Amino acid sequence: DAGITQSPRHKVTETGTPVTLRCHQTENHRYMYWYRQDPGHGLRLIHYSYGVKDTDKGEVSDGYSVSRSKTEDFLLTLESATSSQTSVYFCAISDPVLTGYGYTFGSGTRLTVV
Amino acid sequence: DQQVKQNSPSLSVQEGRISILNCDYTNSMFDYFLWYKKYPAEGPTFLISISSIKDKNEDGRFTVFLNKSAKHLSLHIVPSQPGDSAVYFCAALGSDAGGTSYGKLTFGQGTILTVHP
Repeated sequence: DAGITQSPRHKVTETGTPVTLRCHQTENHRYMYWYRQDPGHGLRLIHYSYGVKDTDKGEVSDGYSVSRSKTEDFLLTLESATSSQTSVYFCAISDPVLTGYGYTFGSGTRLTVV
Repeated sequence: DQQVKQNSPSLSVQEGRISILNCDYTNSMFDYFLWYKKYPAEGPTFLISISSIKDKNEDGRFTVFLNKSAKHLSLHIVPSQPGDSAVYFCAALGSDAGGTSYGKLTFGQGTILTVHP
């Protein structure tokens, strides 16, 4: 009954290749976010979306781009993957009107860049 | 610059005792605070929250305390159970200068809680 799914769950890719991670929600939440989790840094915001085709940068956006063509889907693209982008990526959704300020997170994508 | 800090990377407590997890913040624009719990290989899940107009919020075994003057919040778990062993993140919500937040949360580094039977 997960209202938010991420794909793939695991990925190994080579340096310099493009990679796209997908986040899909069935909750009709307005806001969507991409975070990365790294030891010692917690969760850091990469990009976020506040509506279809409305996106903006977070604190660690360099090397990443996003797109949101539909309410349900938020894509994160690494244009040319680097080893520093090896991380666990989490998508989250929220809608202050529907459910308050808390996030619902996906299960994460573990990305390894070799 | 880390605006939300959890200075204790780990905490170990005995089952049945109290667990106290701490969090400090620097941005006075933060006005809503949340705690999340994360098990390995899963996404974080919401635990409890508190608005800046309150100094305490309680939900079962979990209580969050907010000291605005000290820019400090803490999560108390009483009594602690082995199933509480997880990573705990505090998070803060605040508007920018234009009064817009888009719901963005700023997270701390996390504290690994281990509850021993």
